[in-house]
Amino acid sequence: AQSVTQLDSQVPVFEEAPVELRCNYSSSVSVYLFWYVQYPNQGLQLLLKYLSGSTLVESINGFEAEFNKSQTSFHLRKPSVHISDTAEYFCAVIKAAGNKLTFGGGTRVLVKP
Amino acid sequence: EAGVTQFPSHSVIEKGQTVTLRCDPISGHDNLYWYRRVMGKEIKFLLHFVKESKQDESGMPNNRFLAERTGGTYSTLKVQPAELEDSGVYFCASSHVREFGYEQYFGPGTRLTVT
Repeated sequence: AQSVTQLDSQVPVFEEAPVELRCNYSSSVSVYLFWYVQYPNQGLQLLLKYLSGSTLVESINGFEAEFNKSQTSFHLRKPSVHISDTAEYFCAVIKAAGNKLTFGGGTRVLVKP
Repeated sequence: EAGVTQFPSHSVIEKGQTVTLRCDPISGHDNLYWYRRVMGKEIKFLLHFVKESKQDESGMPNNRFLAERTGGTYSTLKVQPAELEDSGVYFCASSHVREFGYEQYFGPGTRLTVT
């Protein structure tokens, strides 16, 4: 079985400051990793994913995450946040050839002006 | 292209009543998933359809929950009778084929409150 731990349930951050959301996972088999974002009153949207290849993956809106196999981590970072980044962020894994996502508890990011 | 839609967006029912949630996946998506987030907890997998067949229902909490996907299009999730612990947000997701990188497209969720 897989498990995902998001170490911070809430992260307040000032606009234009950097942010890092931590995600660690546990699995006995190979997994693929995802970050989903839920903006207020919306569904979950895929932010970025790691399947294979370069361990650093980027989203179109400036987020990046790095897969670290030895530390079983997939932390999400953004060097400068905007008010519009206020949302809840979910780290998730799926085992190779699997069908179900296993989610972390979510991290609420509140960007303050 | 329309995304995954869910109906209703909110439902408030009394303990013991029945509620049916509906999910319309993205057109052409054979895979349909139900997930649930109970207050303060993680989003958890409930079940997975491939077309009209249940591929995996290992996450269904008990036999008060019944999911169907007639004709391989929309899906319903019925809770009968509802209990207080069933309150939460129910998400539906769909995906095309695994070769597309396992991306599941989520709907906005149905917030269920059992009083």
